[in-house]
Amino acid sequence: DQQVKQNSPSLSVQEGRISILNCDYTNSMFDYFLWYKKYPAEGPTFLISISSIKDKNEDGRFTVFLNKSAKHLSLHIVPSQPGDSAVYFCAASARTGGFKTIFGAGTRLFVKA
Amino acid sequence: NAGVMQNPRHLVRRRGQEARLRCSPMKGHSHVYWYRQLPEEGLKFMVYLQKENIIDESGMPKERFSAEFPKEGPSILRIQQVVRGDSAAYFCASSPPPAKMNTEAFFGQGTRLTVV
Repeated sequence: DQQVKQNSPSLSVQEGRISILNCDYTNSMFDYFLWYKKYPAEGPTFLISISSIKDKNEDGRFTVFLNKSAKHLSLHIVPSQPGDSAVYFCAASARTGGFKTIFGAGTRLFVKA
Repeated sequence: NAGVMQNPRHLVRRRGQEARLRCSPMKGHSHVYWYRQLPEEGLKFMVYLQKENIIDESGMPKERFSAEFPKEGPSILRIQQVVRGDSAAYFCASSPPPAKMNTEAFFGQGTRLTVV
């Protein structure tokens, strides 16, 4: 029962170009979406989030887009840097669900110098 | 301003032993979440607790696993009679009360459990 899906296990991008990571969800009760970044042997760190009342949120090089009708969100990183190489997790929660956060399987991003 | 503290970072147990994983949330955070990450997989929700109360344990295996968050002290994830399949990274996260809507959870560095 995968409520949050990241269908691309990995993505390789050239430094300076745009990285686009995608995420789909099935539960229409989700109203808050987050992206986390994880380096090996470390815990995930929060990157950016978006509420369901918005369709875009931007923070520096990172922008998250939400398409509620398609139950799809994406994370854009531009320009990509080698230090962005990590695993990116998409996550979603529903206030009516008691704020339990469900994570996707992650996408490993490689940014080549 | 310490973050979420998990200990130990690495834990080795023989099959049949008990594993105890500890998590101290960030200061001011009253809600704790436990996740498990199996090799090459994502983070799987296990349990969501507040002080002295389990809010959601829908991700916990029915047997051998238990969690608590006492009034004083860290949250404990306890695995009894460990088996090789319990080998994983266990992450704890904490957040402020849900009254502060739409806040993210902060993660600890995880405990890597190896069952031999």
